[in-house]
Amino acid sequence: KAGVTQTPRYLIKTRGQQVTLSCSPISGHRSVSWYQQTPGQGLQFLFEYFSETQRNKGNFPGRFSGRQFSNSRSEMNVSTLELGDSALYLCASSLPLGGVNTEAFFGQGTRLTVV
Amino acid sequence: ELKVEQNPLFLSMQEGKNYTIYCNYSTTSDRLYWYRQDPGKSLESLFVLLSNGAVKQEGRLMASLDTKARLSTLHITAAVHDLSATYFCAVILGGSGNTGKLIFGQGTTLQVKP
Repeated sequence: KAGVTQTPRYLIKTRGQQVTLSCSPISGHRSVSWYQQTPGQGLQFLFEYFSETQRNKGNFPGRFSGRQFSNSRSEMNVSTLELGDSALYLCASSLPLGGVNTEAFFGQGTRLTVV
Repeated sequence: ELKVEQNPLFLSMQEGKNYTIYCNYSTTSDRLYWYRQDPGKSLESLFVLLSNGAVKQEGRLMASLDTKARLSTLHITAAVHDLSATYFCAVILGGSGNTGKLIFGQGTTLQVKP
């Protein structure tokens, strides 16, 4: 059973540019969540999608956006990149994350560096 | 606002010793997760604790949950070098139903020395 696939694995962008990250969940999983990990702030929730609908959003500026497609694949976009956006972006896939025995499985992450 | 706090944040221990990592959370939640992260790697799921009094064990790691005290512990028995990693606890926000997001603790970096 294939795991969660995130692409690209590494990315270097310049301030002011925009970036799109992709996440393919485990087959059959319809919930995708995104997290940002930085040394200073730790792991912070960005947003959660289920059946192409955003169900939860973290406390991030509007420059951070996402979407989910009918095949459950998800993308997140960051516009007007800032140096502080440099982070490891993790995608998690799950059956709806509130049901009994559900857990979130994480992808390998995309390491974004903004210069 | 749900807050999750771990302690200690850094733990250096000798092989063969026992130790416990604590995870406190601020509001009611009936499920708690423990993850392991190796440097530069993603999060590996260790345990899902679903109810008060839940205890799960895998190898040298044992996790427990006390929902009344809002406390989970991760106990390490006879540590070995391979357990060196950062351990995160996370609590789901959103309660029952089909929605939720994980709120993570700061992480505990465990260093096991020979």
